[in-house]
Amino acid sequence: NAGVTQTPKFRVLKTGQSMTLLCAQDMNHEYMYWYRQDPGMGLRLIHYSVGEGTTAKGEVPDGYNVSRLKKQNFLLGLESAAPSQTSVYFCASSRQRGGRMGTDTQYFGPGTRLTVL
Amino acid sequence: KNEVEQSPQNLTAQEGEFITINCSYSVGISALHWLQQHPGGGIVSLFMLSSGKKKHGRLIATINIQEKHSSLHITASHPRDSAVYICAVGERGGSNYKLTFGKGTLLTVNP
Repeated sequence: NAGVTQTPKFRVLKTGQSMTLLCAQDMNHEYMYWYRQDPGMGLRLIHYSVGEGTTAKGEVPDGYNVSRLKKQNFLLGLESAAPSQTSVYFCASSRQRGGRMGTDTQYFGPGTRLTVL
Repeated sequence: KNEVEQSPQNLTAQEGEFITINCSYSVGISALHWLQQHPGGGIVSLFMLSSGKKKHGRLIATINIQEKHSSLHITASHPRDSAVYICAVGERGGSNYKLTFGKGTLLTVNP
């Protein structure tokens, strides 16, 4: 099993460009998440999904959109990149347990380092 | 909003030393997670606990629900334990689907 994979690993964008980050998991997990990690701050949740076809906002959703058309994939889109979106992005997944996300072990992808100039 | 505080922020130890990293949170939780982030960036879940104590190899995690506090201990530390250790809490509440993460503790173990 590959676990959680992310594409691409690195990307440099110019302000205003768009891009999509792809997350894939092969563990048949219901829940998937996108986080960003910035220096001096804890991981922050951008968006999450509790199942195929569903998405919900997290703590810092502005400037991002997501889609979960297939259970194994969770896409994060930046429509018009800004320098404030320079960060390391992590995708994670977890199985459903009692409907409370906080009680599930999360499995993380290797991260995508994004720089917006 | 739950506040998660870790201490210390940075910790340097000699190989073989006993390590303790602390985590405090402000509101009731459903579970607490300890994660390890390697120098290369990958994040791995170490423990998930809601009461008592868990042990895996040289790592021990404890939680005191009443005091809203958890500790991660590493016995006989080794340079390969050098990493950032992250505490995260999952909050109770049917519609509150999130973990709140601490800022992490950078551990360096010197040979």
